[in-house]
Amino acid sequence: DQQVKQNSPSLSVQEGRISILNCDYTNSMFDYFLWYKKYPAEGPTFLISISSIKDKNEDGRFTVFLNKSAKHLSLHIVPSQPGDSAVYFCAAYSMEYGNKLVFGAGTILRVKS
Amino acid sequence: GAVVSQHPSRVICKSGTSVKIECRSLDFQATTMFWYRQFPKQSLMLMATSNEGSKATYEQGVEKDKFLINHASLTLSTLTVTSAHPEDSSFYICSPSPRNNNSPLHFGNGTRLTVT
Repeated sequence: DQQVKQNSPSLSVQEGRISILNCDYTNSMFDYFLWYKKYPAEGPTFLISISSIKDKNEDGRFTVFLNKSAKHLSLHIVPSQPGDSAVYFCAAYSMEYGNKLVFGAGTILRVKS
Repeated sequence: GAVVSQHPSRVICKSGTSVKIECRSLDFQATTMFWYRQFPKQSLMLMATSNEGSKATYEQGVEKDKFLINHASLTLSTLTVTSAHPEDSSFYICSPSPRNNNSPLHFGNGTRLTVT
């Protein structure tokens, strides 16, 4: 059962425009949601997170929106830069389940210059 | 700078041999270590969770006798893939977590294992 889903395997965006990466989840017990960025042959690096009690968190060019009723979150990157090209993973965890991260399958973002 | 050091980054071994992967937490004491595996075009999947000084807890479908985890100190954990087979070829990533931290934010750079 895939509890965290990223239905778009890839996204292509022009430099300077907004990138919107989407993520859906099924487990209403998740307390925390995170976005990670991953380059080939490297481990994921943390980007931004949001608690389940919030609906928006912003950090520079990155903003994460959470819609709990829809069990949906999204990552907005604006303006997009070529260096943002990477795989983006949505992840979630529940303290009740031992803080184990559950990852989505990832979305490949390509920012064209 | 890096807070997690994982070695080796890449290893090729013959079927039937064992491979050890090391993960070191550089900036904090890792009371918990998460080990993940990623097959091509798939998400990161948690394999096991270990707490320093105790036995690891394995996720369903992960063979504990095949993937030996040692977490003997607060800064070092090892994953040994025993009697490796080609289907074990994957990208293995560690993630140490300090006490009282509610989320594992740090990851090693991963180890690409290829079993021939």
